[in-house]
Amino acid sequence: EDQVTQSPEALRLQEGESSSLNCSYTVSGLRGLFWYRQDPGKGPEFLFTLYSAGEEKEKERLKATLTKKESFLHITAPKPEDSATYLCAVQAGTNAGKSTFGDGTTLTVKP
Amino acid sequence: DTEVTQTPKHLVMGMTNKKSLKCEQHMGHRAMYWYKQKAKKPPELMFVYSYEKLSINESVPSRFSPECPNSSLLNLHLHALQPEDSALYLCASSRGRQETQYFGPGTRLLVL
Repeated sequence: EDQVTQSPEALRLQEGESSSLNCSYTVSGLRGLFWYRQDPGKGPEFLFTLYSAGEEKEKERLKATLTKKESFLHITAPKPEDSATYLCAVQAGTNAGKSTFGDGTTLTVKP
Repeated sequence: DTEVTQTPKHLVMGMTNKKSLKCEQHMGHRAMYWYKQKAKKPPELMFVYSYEKLSINESVPSRFSPECPNSSLLNLHLHALQPEDSALYLCASSRGRQETQYFGPGTRLLVL
């Protein structure tokens, strides 16, 4: 069974204090790993898709990396508007269309 | 443009009511999804449509009935719901079943 574990569950940072969120996964034949940002009461907003170990993608203050066992979402010099819940999801080759989500990391950035 | 729209934004219904949620995308995506999300939990897959045909039903109770009238529209018909069905209902779409899913803003449903 596919499994996704995100850590930490919650993260509080001061504005400008860089950090990383972790997504560990166990999946049979990874087809894709997805990062989303979700604000309270809203739908998840797509951030990145990673397909193979060694792949990296960047967008503004965010950088996502992927190994064979985990993915990191690095946040550089965060701002209060980066406060949100960050969700990681994986898709296996055996389960087309069915994404397995982690429980998310809730990030709070204080000014 | 990666927009998925959902209506209504909010819905309050009694346990004997019949209502429908609507989802629309104009990105040419051929896979569409319904998810249910409870507070402080990740989205939980309910249904997957691929090329307008139901391909995954995650053992959802029959009081939830999905419909895909065409490649751009997805409906979720609700009947005789229970208070525990109160949640945020999310629609998503993707080019294919193994590609990036784009989510709509959701419908906040309250069952009284």
